[in-house]
Amino acid sequence: GAGVSQSPSNKVTEKGKDVELRCDPISGHTALYWYRQSLGQGLEFLIYFQGNSAPDKSGLPSDRFSAERTGGSVSTLTIQRTQQEDSAVYLCASSLERMNTEAFFGQGTRLTVV
Amino acid sequence: GDSVTQMEGPVTLSEEAFLTINCTYTATGYPSLFWYVQYPGEGLQLLLKATKADDKGSNKGFEATYRKETTSFHLEKGSVQVSDSAVYFCALSETDKLIFGTGTRLQVFP
Repeated sequence: GAGVSQSPSNKVTEKGKDVELRCDPISGHTALYWYRQSLGQGLEFLIYFQGNSAPDKSGLPSDRFSAERTGGSVSTLTIQRTQQEDSAVYLCASSLERMNTEAFFGQGTRLTVV
Repeated sequence: GDSVTQMEGPVTLSEEAFLTINCTYTATGYPSLFWYVQYPGEGLQLLLKATKADDKGSNKGFEATYRKETTSFHLEKGSVQVSDSAVYFCALSETDKLIFGTGTRLQVFP
């Protein structure tokens, strides 16, 4: 399809395990973003990529969180040693350039840490 | 830092009622302003935007006007439909990221 694709759509993991969340942006979109949506909270910015580099990592909550982007396309968000407070919906978005142009969101990965 | 404040929900309306969802922002510069909508089971999608003061964004019968003097971007619709039931997010972008409000759930009943 032509939209932003995220996988898996749902992930249940045990506390202390590592998880990887994947995002396939729209082809040709140079900007890619990760957000976290917790119940009752807004969307929390995590990290922004322009191409393969990440000019803004300011939203990553701790050093357990990391992300990379390869080939200016697919991005992976990794959470190490998951904690229950990491449970949330993780959203990926892409845009042609920067956020002043329209951002297209994936349907998210719902992560549950038990 | 930059922030967005929007009214808490849920907002419950009957079909054909008038809708207002309030949104105010704090920013150091001159941000672009957005309303995104999340329908049940779907991803966020852009509803409308405005890039400078006094601009009006509009789409699907929804409107919002960028008011610099009151730092507001309230969302309005003259006659809501059941199909408008969703969560609405106000957002701003000043540089390279969107900053969102907490979202307002709208429930429209026939």
